[in-house]
Amino acid sequence: DSGVTQTPKHLITATGQRVTLRCSPRSGDLSVYWYQQSLDQGLQFLIQYYNGEERAKGNILERFSAQQFPDLHSELNLSSLELGDSALYFCASARGGQNSGNTIYFGEGSWLTVV
Amino acid sequence: QKEVEQDPGPLSVPEGAIVSLNCTYSNSAFQYFMWYRQYSRKGPELLMYTYSSGNKEDGRFTAQVDKSSKYISLFIRDSQPSDSATYLCAMRENYGGSQGNLIFGKGTKLSVKP
Repeated sequence: DSGVTQTPKHLITATGQRVTLRCSPRSGDLSVYWYQQSLDQGLQFLIQYYNGEERAKGNILERFSAQQFPDLHSELNLSSLELGDSALYFCASARGGQNSGNTIYFGEGSWLTVV
Repeated sequence: QKEVEQDPGPLSVPEGAIVSLNCTYSNSAFQYFMWYRQYSRKGPELLMYTYSSGNKEDGRFTAQVDKSSKYISLFIRDSQPSDSATYLCAMRENYGGSQGNLIFGKGTKLSVKP
């Protein structure tokens, strides 16, 4: 158990809908990362937050947004869902910001299926 | 050309075999190199990380980095069925800016047969 908690574990929704994925980082970790994993694209970095502020952006679509709350949990909002958004979404956390060490801890993921 | 290339496999070996997993990359600024193991439907877990070139050993696992060839390897000795998983290489540049985040290979699926 990495200590990173993600909910829900599985989610099935229809095209055009909006969903929210939730992540609680490990105790004491200030950084939260969101990744998308699909069969054809592998693990793709979406966005990083550090202590409530956006720190880095990767390949995140405009239909997607995220935030990190004062209690450090984070939410990833996916809207106007398309079939191609079906993927495993991982949250990961780390103690520091981008200039910290290399150990980031992944949660178990949220499996999103868009039908 | 993708920044990180990794043969997706699948790779099937008998128990006890030595396994070699590899990644190549194109960005010469990468300084930190990591290997993650991911069991089916689980999150990746960090196995090993190396800074710059050289070897690092941890039990049955050895990580090698050859920056001149832009090539990294993970060797697993005396492989066990419990090693069956997908192995992802990951790397990043040195500190600062958005370059601080990890770039992952697509992963190699390994199956160790008893």
